[in-house]
Amino acid sequence: DGGITQSPKYLFRKEGQNVTLSCEQNLNHDAMYWYRQDPGQGLRLIYYSQIVNDFQKGDIAEGYSVSREKKESFPLTVTSAQKNPTAFYLCASSRGGNQPQHFGDGTRLSIL
Amino acid sequence: LAKTTQPISMDSYEGQEVNITCSHNNIATNDYITWYQQFPSQGPRFIIQGYKTKVTNEVASLFIPADRKSSTLSLPRVSLSDTAVYYCLVGDGQYRGSSNTGKLIFGQGTTLQVKP
Repeated sequence: DGGITQSPKYLFRKEGQNVTLSCEQNLNHDAMYWYRQDPGQGLRLIYYSQIVNDFQKGDIAEGYSVSREKKESFPLTVTSAQKNPTAFYLCASSRGGNQPQHFGDGTRLSIL
Repeated sequence: LAKTTQPISMDSYEGQEVNITCSHNNIATNDYITWYQQFPSQGPRFIIQGYKTKVTNEVASLFIPADRKSSTLSLPRVSLSDTAVYYCLVGDGQYRGSSNTGKLIFGQGTTLQVKP
């Protein structure tokens, strides 16, 4: 089945540690996105990429980094500079532009 | 940036039709209107998308007036499993070349509670 796979489902980070969240899609979509969701809130865009080897900051990019070396993969690194990383992280992909976005099942990140 | 406004919450009963209205006064010419459904601890799921007039699929209908400044999601005969958060989104209106960036602005959505 085609879809988006996020791993791990749960992740714990120690103070001062960088962690990387995985996002893989086999939908042959050009565009990929990372969102953060806090309890009771909507999604906020962290980074997005419309094509391989290119990505743009979203509304809350500080403390995060991404790469897009392959069409299928768009990993997100939560760096130690992100002081409040506890949240639900969602990855999405689409054919781009106005096309609907397909979401993964999310990764819940917590601080130890 | 095109922003949307929708009710924070709605209650309904099983078997009723539910209409959720969203306003988007600053929608750009090339923007589509898209609705998503989200259950707790899951990613949003695409429901329906439209540009103008009426769109219908197997789960919902979307009504868009001529001025496109609002839209209404209609869910026929809801069941308990339709209890979820519903998001109305439009594109951000920023363009790169001939297509927009695909950036979406999520509000708080509408929490629909369906009661037995």
